[in-house]
Amino acid sequence: KNQVEQSPQSLIILEGKNCTLQCNYTVSPFSNLRWYKQDTGRGPVSLTIMTFSENTKSNGRYTATLDADTKQSSLHITASQLSDSASYICVVSSRAGSYQLTFGKGTKLSVIP
Amino acid sequence: DADVTQTPRNRITKTGKRIMLECSQTKGHDRMYWYRQDPGLGLRLIYYSFDVKDINKGEISDGYSVSRQAQAKFSLSLESAIPNQTALYFCATRQQGNTGELFFGEGSRLTVL
Repeated sequence: KNQVEQSPQSLIILEGKNCTLQCNYTVSPFSNLRWYKQDTGRGPVSLTIMTFSENTKSNGRYTATLDADTKQSSLHITASQLSDSASYICVVSSRAGSYQLTFGKGTKLSVIP
Repeated sequence: DADVTQTPRNRITKTGKRIMLECSQTKGHDRMYWYRQDPGLGLRLIYYSFDVKDINKGEISDGYSVSRQAQAKFSLSLESAIPNQTALYFCATRQQGNTGELFFGEGSRLTVL
């Protein structure tokens, strides 16, 4: 069964600090992995996509990594801001079954002043 | 205007009532999805549709039905609402292909008393 596990479940950090969120998956055959940001009460919005051949990709202060061998991804947030407070969801796409999507349960990040 | 619009945004109803949540999109995507989100459980797929004549059950379809009235419209119905259907519901669209991003609506918060 395809699974996506995210850690930690929740995280509190001080404004200006860095943090790293983890995503481990057992999806096969792997196609790609996306990180979404979900602000409270809003729909998720894609931050970045990682395909099999990509190791690192940045989007402003967000940097995603992918290790396809160990089936792990991370999302690193640099110099956190209050607006980074949100849930971050890892979604992995499989090449089987019309590109089935498997969702992680998310990491809730709170950035405090 | 939002690319994916859900109505109503909030609804309180009583056990046994029929409820319809509506979704319309201007992305021009063929693929549309309904998810529910519960605290601690993440997003779970209820139904999805790849075109007007295609309807597929997701992992938690019991107690729900859908209608794809047009390429741009996808409705979710609860024929007889029960309290454990209290949740935040999201509609999403996605273009064809293995790297397509999900575009979510703003969500419909449903409370069943």
